[in-house]
Amino acid sequence: QVTLKESGPGILQPSQTLSLTCSFSGFSLNTYGMCVGWIRQSSGKGLEWLANIWWNDDKYYNPSLKNRLTISKDTSNNQAFLKITNMDTADTATYYCVRHTTGTPFDYWGQGVMVTVSS
Amino acid sequence: DVVLTQTPVSLLISLGGQASISCRSSQSLVHSNGNTYLHWYLQKPGQSPQLLIYQVSNRFSGIPDRFSGSGSGTDFTLKISRVEPEDLGVYYCLQRTHNPDTFGAGTKLELK
Repeated sequence: QVTLKESGPGILQPSQTLSLTCSFSGFSLNTYGMCVGWIRQSSGKGLEWLANIWWNDDKYYNPSLKNRLTISKDTSNNQAFLKITNMDTADTATYYCVRHTTGTPFDYWGQGVMVTVSS
Repeated sequence: DVVLTQTPVSLLISLGGQASISCRSSQSLVHSNGNTYLHWYLQKPGQSPQLLIYQVSNRFSGIPDRFSGSGSGTDFTLKISRVEPEDLGVYYCLQRTHNPDTFGAGTKLELK
């Protein structure tokens, strides 16, 4: 059974760095074709893909935020991470961790973590 | 970025009826490898999105055959037949042919 769960600070101030953790089970990021991604959802911009990290450590970022994003993984602990620098109120959203494979796109989603940016 | 335009924005359907949702792309979604990476998701109230259909017409594991996808190039359709209460929510299309991945704005399916 595939599960993913996001964790994060909940609230942070403008200009701070957001650090999110995705803890997953039921698959391994050491397995060929596996990937973990991050997608966010806000009332203003809808669903927005942010970044993916693959089993072979290939990383892909949304160009519109690329300079602010860093994705990484810890395969031994079944975790993936996302950092977003210089957070702004426009980054207020629910952030989802998702599994992705070469066969099926974003096939399992975490429950999401709400992040509010406010001074 | 590729823009996906979903119509209608909302849909009122009776239980047992049929729903049809359109997703039109600003560019062809045929990849250079010949595949078309257009997918459909349903977000039920209070839940995360779930994968329904991938690569235009392939149902994901556990998705009933009441859901079907079709289309090519820039025009795609999701059909839901014999609508049931658990089908209610917001439907999104997603394209992964062009970088970055982009989603449609969603179509809300409600009961008449």
